[in-house]
Amino acid sequence: GAGVSQSPSNKVTEKGKDVELRCDPISGHTALYWYRQSLGQGLEFLIYFQGNSAPDKSGLPSDRFSAERTGGSVSTLTIQRTQQEDSAVYLCASSRDRAAGNTIYFGEGSWLTVV
Amino acid sequence: EDQVTQSPEALRLQEGESSSLNCSYTVSGLRGLFWYRQDPGKGPEFLFTLYSAGEEKEKERLKATLTKKESFLHITAPKPEDSATYLCAPFSGNTGKLIFGQGTTLQVKP
Repeated sequence: GAGVSQSPSNKVTEKGKDVELRCDPISGHTALYWYRQSLGQGLEFLIYFQGNSAPDKSGLPSDRFSAERTGGSVSTLTIQRTQQEDSAVYLCASSRDRAAGNTIYFGEGSWLTVV
Repeated sequence: EDQVTQSPEALRLQEGESSSLNCSYTVSGLRGLFWYRQDPGKGPEFLFTLYSAGEEKEKERLKATLTKKESFLHITAPKPEDSATYLCAPFSGNTGKLIFGQGTTLQVKP
């Protein structure tokens, strides 16, 4: 596609439920990032995929968070047993590869509200 | 520890009133610094990447500059449509990640 596509755009879920957020990166981009943006906060790194390498999961806040990337393209971020503090915008980004010279493009985000 | 601080947090300008936004950083293995614009309810939109001290890039009313410890985003004769949050994000070559500041929210009044 022309840009990074994320779904759903908005999700309201009850505390304790599991949610899945999807990211479809720009075609041909091998690097894929997930960031979280809480109200009034900066973007917080969650996880990074580069090609077939093991993902960098160092930013995941707890073991309730996990992500996978199938076939080197689409990625799914899963949050289990959601808590109210998980309410945030989850942003996906992609770039051609992890080299510093490549522009990193963001999607419009998935707005998660846990009630 | 990698740190990025943007100032001011909020800035109100009259249309045509030029100003600058600051981004101070301490990042290991800096391999570039990105500027993004973010409108409410939207994802960050790429503006510039700067790679070395002394480099400058321009786009319409915006000019970004870089030193070894800071980057500035200069806005010349802003218009109301320039109102947005501007995000600074150095790229760490050590970790392969963008490290974001809190952003500066700019409001330009007609």
